[in-house]
Amino acid sequence: QVQLVQSGSEVKKPGSSVKVSCKASGGSLSSFTITWVRQAPGQRPEWMGKITVPLDIVKYAQKFQGRVTLTADKSTDTATMILTSLRFEDTAIYYCARGGDWMTIWGQGTLVTVSS
Amino acid sequence: DIQMTQSPSSLSASVGDRVTITCRASQGIGYSLAWYQQLPGKAPHLLLYAASELETGVPSRFGGSRSGTDYTLTISSLQPEDFATYYCQQYNSSPLTFGGGTKVEI
Repeated sequence: QVQLVQSGSEVKKPGSSVKVSCKASGGSLSSFTITWVRQAPGQRPEWMGKITVPLDIVKYAQKFQGRVTLTADKSTDTATMILTSLRFEDTAIYYCARGGDWMTIWGQGTLVTVSS
Repeated sequence: DIQMTQSPSSLSASVGDRVTITCRASQGIGYSLAWYQQLPGKAPHLLLYAASELETGVPSRFGGSRSGTDYTLTISSLQPEDFATYYCQQYNSSPLTFGGGTKVEI
């Protein structure tokens, strides 16, 4: 059974960037679509975008267009999300998940705290 | 964007109760709806997709249905491990959107 293992918590200053990684364990990422979702404290999950790894096709939520970049490295079975120009309101848990419509397997989440 | 409105936002129930949670879409999404359970401090966990299809390994006490743009998650007999927050999510069109959640408490 494939698991998604994410990188550790981050504390960032406003205006900086954060990179969160998501590694497939026990299987290959190369046949998946990986979706990124974030969840601010006490809020509903929010879809950020997805990458169809076999085709390298990326789709972003308009809200994050220009600030987020999704990539995937098939050789290391690792997907990556980079969010730039961080604001206080970007403080959230960031999840990667398998699936482009419904998400079947989720990473454990990465807490990103934006603080001055 | 498609708005997903969940009700109630919270409910109190007892072990063995039948629980119903509703999600209304702001426009037609067909059967493109999933339900998730989220325990405190954990990632969401898929329960159902295509409005009523049970994900592998999910207990059969969880069920889903659709009536127009209204979707229902039913737990037929609440178990102690079911006390959690439940979210609906539409995948008919981008951006994918989630409901506001229903917290099921004792």
